[in-house]
Amino acid sequence: EVQLVESGGGLVQPGRSLKLSCAASGFTFSNYYMAWVRQAPTKGLEWVASITNSGGSTYYRDSVKGRFTISRDNAKSTLYLQMDSLRSEDTATYYCTRDILWVSFDYWGQGVMVTVSS
Amino acid sequence: DIQMTQSPASLSASLGETVTIECLASEDIYSNLAWYQQKPGKSPQLLIYDASSLQDGVPSRFSGSESGTQYSLEINSLQSEDAATYFCQQHHDYPYTFGAGTKLELK
Repeated sequence: EVQLVESGGGLVQPGRSLKLSCAASGFTFSNYYMAWVRQAPTKGLEWVASITNSGGSTYYRDSVKGRFTISRDNAKSTLYLQMDSLRSEDTATYYCTRDILWVSFDYWGQGVMVTVSS
Repeated sequence: DIQMTQSPASLSASLGETVTIECLASEDIYSNLAWYQQKPGKSPQLLIYDASSLQDGVPSRFSGSESGTQYSLEINSLQSEDAATYFCQQHHDYPYTFGAGTKLELK
């Protein structure tokens, strides 16, 4: 059974940093692209970043480029999102997803809440 | 960026009815279109991929179709558990983009 379990969320002040983790199990992690998708309170879904299976290439939405870094440790089957210079508009539930290239996000974690506020 | 215009924003239907939700892509996305269902407080779940392929475990009353850059999700014989918000999403090009969502209420 595929499982994605996020951790690391919380309340953080504007301008500070936070690092999210996603522990994956039930599939061969190193074979798949992975991604982060977020959802602001009562809002829609927004893709944040994706990473290739090897970690050699990364992709970001413009609003987080230069502030967020997606990475992975295939030996630990873990995906990360380092979030720096956080802004109030980054407040959202962040989902870890398995990214099937050209197809879909086929599995989602339960989500982790990030609140950016002073 | 590819814009996904989803309609309607909300709809109300009765048990057993059929409803259709639509998404218009701002350019050709070559059937790289997925539909997700999200219930309150839960993560989104994949329903349909490649515009019309049913994800494993999803009831056959859900179906997807396309006509040009217009994509549709049809739900037949509505059940109480279908009350949820539905999102379309293009998986053709970065940045991946979602429709704004359709909230389905059961009467």
